[in-house]
Amino acid sequence: GAGVSQSPSNKVTEKGKDVELRCDPISGHTALYWYRQSLGQGLEFLIYFQGNSAPDKSGLPSDRFSAERTGGSVSTLTIQRTQQEDSAVYLCASSPSRSMVQPQHFGDGTRLSIL
Amino acid sequence: AQKITQTQPGMFVQEKEAVTLDCTYDTSDPSYGLFWYKQPSSGEMIFLIYQGSYDQQNATEGRYSLNFQKARKSANLVISASQLGDSAMYFCAMREGLYHSQLIWGAGTKLIIKP
Repeated sequence: GAGVSQSPSNKVTEKGKDVELRCDPISGHTALYWYRQSLGQGLEFLIYFQGNSAPDKSGLPSDRFSAERTGGSVSTLTIQRTQQEDSAVYLCASSPSRSMVQPQHFGDGTRLSIL
Repeated sequence: AQKITQTQPGMFVQEKEAVTLDCTYDTSDPSYGLFWYKQPSSGEMIFLIYQGSYDQQNATEGRYSLNFQKARKSANLVISASQLGDSAMYFCAMREGLYHSQLIWGAGTKLIIKP
């Protein structure tokens, strides 16, 4: 498909386990973003990748959260020792560049539930 | 302080009527962009319209237009001739300056179109 692809679409895990969420951006998009959306809320920025530059990690809520982007394409968001407050929908977005005018195109998200 | 404020948590509108969704923003950066996104119950985030801080005219995109009042720091979304399929959450978001690429999001407005 031509859109942003995220997997898994749903993830249920026990508190304390590690989880990995995957994002495959639109081909050719150099900018990739991770956001978190709690139930009924707006989106909370987590991390941003632009090309080969160092990522902007300013939104990561704790050191249990990390992300990487391999080869400038696929990204993985990892949450270690999950807590119940990590339950949310994790959304990935990509855009052609960091230009202000470019909208971000979103995937369908991963719904993470921590038991 | 909230950077993006959407004061209407929910709205009911009769089909075929026009609807205005409010958004006010707060930034000291002269360069910024304002975005509106639609999120249906299925969860995907759909880009609707963009307004740049230096744009002289209000943005329009089909049935969507943005009532941009820069001095009041308001960027209201107007949907003309509403349709049942317009029922969704609507989010206003802002990108500040040339050096921040993440979007700052409002809490959203839940719009329900009545037949």
